Amino acid sequence: EADIYQTPRYLVIGTGKKITLECSQTMGHDKMYWYQQDPGMELHLIHYSYGVNSTEKGDLSSESTVSRIRTEHFPLTLESARPSHTSQYLCASSEGGTGELFFGEGSRLTVL
Amino acid sequence: KNQVEQSPQSLIILEGKNCTLQCNYTVSPFSNLRWYKQDTGRGPVSLTIMTFSENTKSNGRYTATLDADTKQSSLHITASQLSDSASYICVVSFDYNNNDMRFGAGTRLTVKP
Repeated sequence: EADIYQTPRYLVIGTGKKITLECSQTMGHDKMYWYQQDPGMELHLIHYSYGVNSTEKGDLSSESTVSRIRTEHFPLTLESARPSHTSQYLCASSEGGTGELFFGEGSRLTVL
Repeated sequence: KNQVEQSPQSLIILEGKNCTLQCNYTVSPFSNLRWYKQDTGRGPVSLTIMTFSENTKSNGRYTATLDADTKQSSLHITASQLSDSASYICVVSFDYNNNDMRFGAGTRLTVKP
């Protein structure tokens, strides 16, 4: 069983609010990722990190930002939420060998 | 641009029956292909991973096959159970460092009693 945790699982907020989605893993993985997933659609990479102080933007343009100050922690922040940000956000980490991805349970964000 | 196409988009079967899900990908090079199971409202969980040199990989009632020449993979589920109801996602990695991974949109499987 994967040891990667996301909070909150569900969040409903108003437009313009600042939010941070938390992601922590206890497996010591260097690589971590944030994906966005809409119903019935494929996962899209929005941010990734190869280790502490390393952050990169993914394929899907996103107004969110991330930080990686500690290996186990990879939070995602939206400075000013909009209805278009309504989606499921999945955090993942991977081990170096096979590159197998371990996912958190996801954070479902609804912006009113 | 690399693409991963899955079919069917959705599938309904009766409990106890077998089914096969398809995944086709384009472009190369190819490093590995994985199948994930995603229950509704949960994160995906790994089922199988195959490198380009492997043709088949089993995990209990799940068997994945890979034809790297035709760029096709299938996931066969035997003796389906109600708990198999989920989305099944095909993920293809195009580089050996697994830095470039592409996801299919998934097949939504419903198993009915």
